[in-house]
Amino acid sequence: DAGVIQSPRHEVTEMGQEVTLRCKPISGHDYLFWYRQTMMRGLELLIYFNNNVPIDDSGMPEDRFSAKMPNASFSTLKIQPSEPRDSAVYFCASSLVYRLGSEQYFGPGTRLTVT
Amino acid sequence: ELKVEQNPLFLSMQEGKNYTIYCNYSTTSDRLYWYRQDPGKSLESLFVLLSNGAVKQEGRLMASLDTKARLSTLHITAAVHDLSATYFCAVDAFGNEKLTFGTGTRLTIIP
Repeated sequence: DAGVIQSPRHEVTEMGQEVTLRCKPISGHDYLFWYRQTMMRGLELLIYFNNNVPIDDSGMPEDRFSAKMPNASFSTLKIQPSEPRDSAVYFCASSLVYRLGSEQYFGPGTRLTVT
Repeated sequence: ELKVEQNPLFLSMQEGKNYTIYCNYSTTSDRLYWYRQDPGKSLESLFVLLSNGAVKQEGRLMASLDTKARLSTLHITAAVHDLSATYFCAVDAFGNEKLTFGTGTRLTIIP
């Protein structure tokens, strides 16, 4: 399996622009997670989906952030408008819950820089 | 609010030595995970601990879980340079697949 795929790997944009991050989970996995990692705040869960349905978006920092999962093989995280404080590495992860507790498999991440 | 604390935050140790990283969490849970992250890379799953007293070993790393003490340890035996990385513990407190990560321990192995 190719693992979790994220695109783009690097994104540099100007403040106020719209940014869309993409994720393809591992085939057959039923959970998908979006995380953000910064030096100051560490690794934070933004939102997660189960069978394409958002379960918990309490980690989404504000209305400028939105996430969708239109089908089992694709998800997007959108920031509109972007701000310099959104600069971070964004990870997507997926898991298959076939037993009590299953590890999440992380994608390579998207490094976002907002200038 | 669930809190997950790791210590130490930074650890520099010589090759061949043994050391332990500690992960404390603030609420009852029997689902704890350890991950490794190399600089500029993604997170890699190391261990899944699902019950009190669980112990897992892989090479020079051994992880254990004490749910009564709300404590997990990651023990490094005879450290080698390849183990240099940041190690995270993560807790699923409510059985809903939502993980809360610790702050991470940056481990540097000195030749």
